[in-house]
Amino acid sequence: DTEVTQTPKHLVMGMTNKKSLKCEQHMGHRAMYWYKQKAKKPPELMFVYSYEKLSINESVPSRFSPECPNSSLLNLHLHALQPEDSALYLCASSHPAEGRTGYTFGSGTRLTVV
Amino acid sequence: QQPVQSPQAVILREGEDAVINCSSSKALYSVHWYRQKHGEAPVFLMILLKGGEQKGHEKISASFNEKKQQSSLYLTASQLSYSGTYFCGTANNTNAGKSTFGDGTTLTVKP
Repeated sequence: DTEVTQTPKHLVMGMTNKKSLKCEQHMGHRAMYWYKQKAKKPPELMFVYSYEKLSINESVPSRFSPECPNSSLLNLHLHALQPEDSALYLCASSHPAEGRTGYTFGSGTRLTVV
Repeated sequence: QQPVQSPQAVILREGEDAVINCSSSKALYSVHWYRQKHGEAPVFLMILLKGGEQKGHEKISASFNEKKQQSSLYLTASQLSYSGTYFCGTANNTNAGKSTFGDGTTLTVKP
């Protein structure tokens, strides 16, 4: 059983839609991440929250908007996406010293933009 | 700096062994390994911290040579369930978000 839960598992949205991806962890981790993964590629870091504060934004377009309401929840708000944004979106969590512990990934949201 | 994994792909028969390598051009604090099956999320296998340690996880073990900035993942007596893409992640400090993933090694185990 994964201890990082992502919803929905699949999402199809039009380019004018607004949708949100949700992530919840019950591991007591204080660092949470959004990654984007294209087929046959490694996960690509988008955002990092450490102690509920945004600490890293990897120059992600503003059509992606992260939110961390509390230490267990992480959202990714999507608006006016492009077809090239179709990918697997992974949430992960870790101890804040992730270099010591590695990540626990959620099962991902498979996003298709039409 | 992205670590370099080798080989890119390997095909084995059940029961055979494999080694996957991960190397970096920068000094490393830790190396972590993940396995990802098709259509699923990466699953954490193990992490090795600087100090040149070796770890084991059933028939999967890994070593970390801090001086050479390299790690190797050893899969012995491979099983069909070992098939997937293996990623190494490297960090040169402990801070969140500072790990970088290699491009992955695709392992296929055949009966």
